[in-house]
Amino acid sequence: DTAVSQTPKYLVTQMGNDKSIKCEQNLGHDTMYWYKQDSKKFLKIMFSYNNKELIINETVPNRFSPKSPDKAHLNLHINSLELGDSAVYFCASSQDKTGYSNQPQHFGDGTRLSIL
Amino acid sequence: QQQVKQSPQSLIVQKGGISIINCAYENTAFDYFPWYQQFPGKGPALLIAIRPDVSEKKEGRFTISFNKSAKQFSLHIMDSQPGDSATYFCAASPYTGTASKLTFGTGTRLQVTL
Repeated sequence: DTAVSQTPKYLVTQMGNDKSIKCEQNLGHDTMYWYKQDSKKFLKIMFSYNNKELIINETVPNRFSPKSPDKAHLNLHINSLELGDSAVYFCASSQDKTGYSNQPQHFGDGTRLSIL
Repeated sequence: QQQVKQSPQSLIVQKGGISIINCAYENTAFDYFPWYQQFPGKGPALLIAIRPDVSEKKEGRFTISFNKSAKQFSLHIMDSQPGDSATYFCAASPYTGTASKLTFGTGTRLQVTL
């Protein structure tokens, strides 16, 4: 059983399109994250949700909109894709909750987004 | 602003040798220092983590050394094996009371040769 699963694994699309990446975790965690890993492998946090509530929003363009329908799912929708959005996007989850942070994060295997 | 500086960028070690990766941080609010291992095509996986109330933590062949006054921490891999060949990331996070806010280093690509 995959603990944190992302779909699709690969996404190739044209500039200007809108796309979504889905993430699901079966660990029973309260907190989920989106990270971006660029071509130099630099990992940067984008968003964090705790029990469907947005906790962290790291100066990401508003073309990126996360949505959490329930605490096991955190999807990422990207509007008007640009060349600079090409990267690997990772979803993660942890047991962090109010008063209990910095718990181990479990990452999915990533979605490689390529913009043509 | 690079808040966590990691070195070296790449490292080649012979099988059985010791691999050492260093990180330095600036933010004194950082309260949690994990190391992640990433294989090609996979997501990062937590290897070992330390909090600033201890100076060393060991788990099997992996040891974190932590120097709070110097704001530095390092990962030592003893008896390095070819299966350890991967990219290693240090990270740091302040205590937020809610979600972790990890800042990652730039990564070290480790190659263990036979």
